[in-house]
Amino acid sequence: KAGVTQTPRYLIKTRGQQVTLSCSPISGHRSVSWYQQTPGQGLQFLFEYFSETQRNKGNFPGRFSGRQFSNSRSEMNVSTLELGDSALYLCASSFGGTVQETQYFGPGTRLLVL
Amino acid sequence: KNEVEQSPQNLTAQEGEFITINCSYSVGISALHWLQQHPGGGIVSLFMLSSGKKKHGRLIATINIQEKHSSLHITASHPRDSAVYICAVRGNTDKLIFGTGTRLQVFP
Repeated sequence: KAGVTQTPRYLIKTRGQQVTLSCSPISGHRSVSWYQQTPGQGLQFLFEYFSETQRNKGNFPGRFSGRQFSNSRSEMNVSTLELGDSALYLCASSFGGTVQETQYFGPGTRLLVL
Repeated sequence: KNEVEQSPQNLTAQEGEFITINCSYSVGISALHWLQQHPGGGIVSLFMLSSGKKKHGRLIATINIQEKHSSLHITASHPRDSAVYICAVRGNTDKLIFGTGTRLQVFP
């Protein structure tokens, strides 16, 4: 089975622009979670989607949004980029997103905001 | 104070040594995860625990729910074990809360 894939792998944007990141989960997985990793804050939960519905959300401003499609692929969008949005963005998938399940992580998208 | 604390922050070892990484948490949890992150960013889930002890190869993870503490042990460490090890708990809101990680370097 192919693993979790994320595109693009690297991205450079300037302040004020917007960006869309994509995540394709493992085939058959219906839950996708997104995380932000920065040197200062470490790993932080952004949001989780299950069957096209946002099931949980972290403490991030409204500039961060996401969606999930019927094939379980997910996108996250960051509008009006700020320098502090520079980070590694990781997505992870699991079959049903229950607490007892292992999450499988993608390689991440490294975003640099100039 | 962070809800999930790891110690030590950095750890160096000689090949073959026994290694212990600790994780303490202050919230109620439904599960605890140990993750491994190699340079370049990829994260691999090592263990998911809700009680007791799990073993996989040279890795052993334990959790004490009453003391809100978990340990990850690596027996017979190897340079390929060099990575950042991250403890994460799934709290009552179902969100994953991460520790700051322990950077391990194993020298030959």
